Amino acid sequence: KNEVEQSPQNLTAQEGEFITINCSYSVGISALHWLQQHPGGGIVSLFMLSSGKKKHGRLIATINIQEKHSSLHITASHPRDSAVYICAVREETSGSRLTFGEGTQLTVNP
Amino acid sequence: NAGVMQNPRHLVRRRGQEARLRCSPMKGHSHVYWYRQLPEEGLKFMVYLQKENIIDESGMPKERFSAEFPKEGPSILRIQQVVRGDSAAYFCASSPLPGHTEAFFGQGTRLTVV
Repeated sequence: KNEVEQSPQNLTAQEGEFITINCSYSVGISALHWLQQHPGGGIVSLFMLSSGKKKHGRLIATINIQEKHSSLHITASHPRDSAVYICAVREETSGSRLTFGEGTQLTVNP
Repeated sequence: NAGVMQNPRHLVRRRGQEARLRCSPMKGHSHVYWYRQLPEEGLKFMVYLQKENIIDESGMPKERFSAEFPKEGPSILRIQQVVRGDSAAYFCASSPLPGHTEAFFGQGTRLTVV
C-alpha cells in the first residue's frame, strides 16, 4: 500500500463543475503539498499546508491532520484546469524529501 | 529571479552512453532535490544535496547513478551506461532552507534511451 493515496485516478468534468480530488496518507507529516503538472510540462506548486484551509483564486485546499486527509477543490472548472494534480507529503521522519501520490488526471471538457 | 532551471529539456541517449542532467537552483537556494518520474508512475525521491554535500541519497539506485552539487555551478545528476529502464522524466527542486519548506520545481529533463 502506498503511503500517499489519491482518488480518483481519473476525473472528467464539464466546464463549470465543482471538482474535488482527495488525498489520504498513512504517515506522520510536517507538511502536505498540492502540485499541478501539465502534459509534457513542469511541476507547479499550488499549495503547501500544515493545517486548516488555503484558498487561491478558484482553488481551495483543506487538510485534516487527525484524519490524515486532504482535499483539493476547484470551483467553476475550466478546460485550462486540465492537468495532473499531485498530492505530496513531507514525512516527519524523512527530513526533507517528499513522498508523492500517483496523481489524478483531470480533464475538463468545454 | 529566474526559477529552477534544468537542462537539457530533452535528452536522447543510446544504451551504454552516459547522461548528464543539470539543475541550477533558484537564486539564494542552497538545497537541491532530484526526483524521477517513470512512465505511468508517480514521482519518486532520488537524492537531496546541499552545496558540496550529499545529505540523503536513499532513493538513488546503487549502481550507475551519482549526483553532485559543487560550490560553483549547477547540480549534476549523472547516469552511466544508461539502459532502457532509465527512460523517465527527471525533476529537480530547490529550497532556501533545509526541510523543503516550499516546493520550487524545474521543468524537468525527459531522458529517452534508445
